[in-house]
Amino acid sequence: RKEVEQDPGPFNVPEGATVAFNCTYSNSASQSFFWYRQDCRKEPKLLMSVYSSGNEDGRFTAQLNRASQYISLLIRDSKLSDSATYLCVVNVQDDKIIFGKGTRLHILP
Amino acid sequence: GAGVSQSPSNKVTEKGKDVELRCDPISGHTALYWYRQSLGQGLEFLIYFQGNSAPDKSGLPSDRFSAERTGGSVSTLTIQRTQQEDSAVYLCASSLPVSNYGYTFGSGTRLTVV
Repeated sequence: RKEVEQDPGPFNVPEGATVAFNCTYSNSASQSFFWYRQDCRKEPKLLMSVYSSGNEDGRFTAQLNRASQYISLLIRDSKLSDSATYLCVVNVQDDKIIFGKGTRLHILP
Repeated sequence: GAGVSQSPSNKVTEKGKDVELRCDPISGHTALYWYRQSLGQGLEFLIYFQGNSAPDKSGLPSDRFSAERTGGSVSTLTIQRTQQEDSAVYLCASSLPVSNYGYTFGSGTRLTVV
């Protein structure tokens, strides 16, 4: 099993719809989880941390399922500007962090 | 500084030459990470530093790659005898000792080996 796995997509979603994607991780001892967003030819930028109890930031909701070892990101009322690649980030040991390959999201007008 | 600074932003080099890529992290960030990203691909972990030491060098692709960090600040990634497959964007990120606040990336160095 890869350390961090994501569905590469692309997810093609109409504007205003809700979309969700998951990321699985292999190390049960992982403690830190994040979602990053990367626009074409740009560096990744932090979207949100993922907390054990789940957390929400506006239209974005992140959740952690430790039993099944995955994190999820849900985007409500999607906007054209949400089109990007979404990367999950997991610490696999101590401070070593691994990025998933990313899920491409296209919001369609 | 205000953000993570990487230099040069672009580098074109001839096959077989050595290159040095520099990363200047955010002041106070003790952890520093190097990744590379080939066109259309995900981020490939290379190495990370905690202070000046590198607990995990397992991501370095070959012995042509090396990295160092001095004074707990600036880091240099050196690629010797560059090959065309080394062409990629090399990204550096830094974070506080406790990683709960995430990692801040520089804008990367785009390396092209011709």
